[in-house]
Amino acid sequence: AQSVTQLGSHVSVSEGALVLLRCNYSSSVPPYLFWYVQYPNQGLQLLLKYTTGATLVKGINGFEAEFKKSETSFHLTKPSAHMSDAAEYFCAVSPGNTGKLIFGQGTTLQVKP
Amino acid sequence: GAGVSQSPSNKVTEKGKDVELRCDPISGHTALYWYRQSLGQGLEFLIYFQGNSAPDKSGLPSDRFSAERTGGSVSTLTIQRTQQEDSAVYLCASSPRTSGMGGELFFGEGSRLTVL
Repeated sequence: AQSVTQLGSHVSVSEGALVLLRCNYSSSVPPYLFWYVQYPNQGLQLLLKYTTGATLVKGINGFEAEFKKSETSFHLTKPSAHMSDAAEYFCAVSPGNTGKLIFGQGTTLQVKP
Repeated sequence: GAGVSQSPSNKVTEKGKDVELRCDPISGHTALYWYRQSLGQGLEFLIYFQGNSAPDKSGLPSDRFSAERTGGSVSTLTIQRTQQEDSAVYLCASSPRTSGMGGELFFGEGSRLTVL
């Protein structure tokens, strides 16, 4: 069965610092991978996704993620954090066929001034 | 509507009562998903609809939970004889395509259920 593990339930960075949110997946077949963001009292919004092709994926709000098959990882990064980036971030894998997503436990990003 | 709409946004009920949660997907989206988000459990998949049929109900936690979809559009998630552990935010999502194509899911803002 496919699964996702997010390392670190809480990450705190200073404004302007690098953001790195870690995600490792378990999959027996080439996966589709996603990062979603959830702002307080809102639904989830797609940041970026990897399906096929280029392994470095660029998303909205300056975020990007790199698919590394050898490390079974799909870490999310942003060079410079903004206060508005404070939210909960979810990594997800799609087992295929139904389009349903299996989510990680989520990482809460705190950005300090 | 522009996005996925869920109602009610907040529901407080007493233990043992039945509740119904409604989801209006984006027009034309054939796939619809229900998830449950609770502290310590993350986002749990409940059920998936393709049109009006539910080929994947594997996430429903007990027979107290059921869902239906009519007209390929609106879906209702029903929880019978609610328990305190049912307290959570119930999220609905829709998608225009499936078949493992890695399509984006569009989420509503959720229905927060509190069982006293």
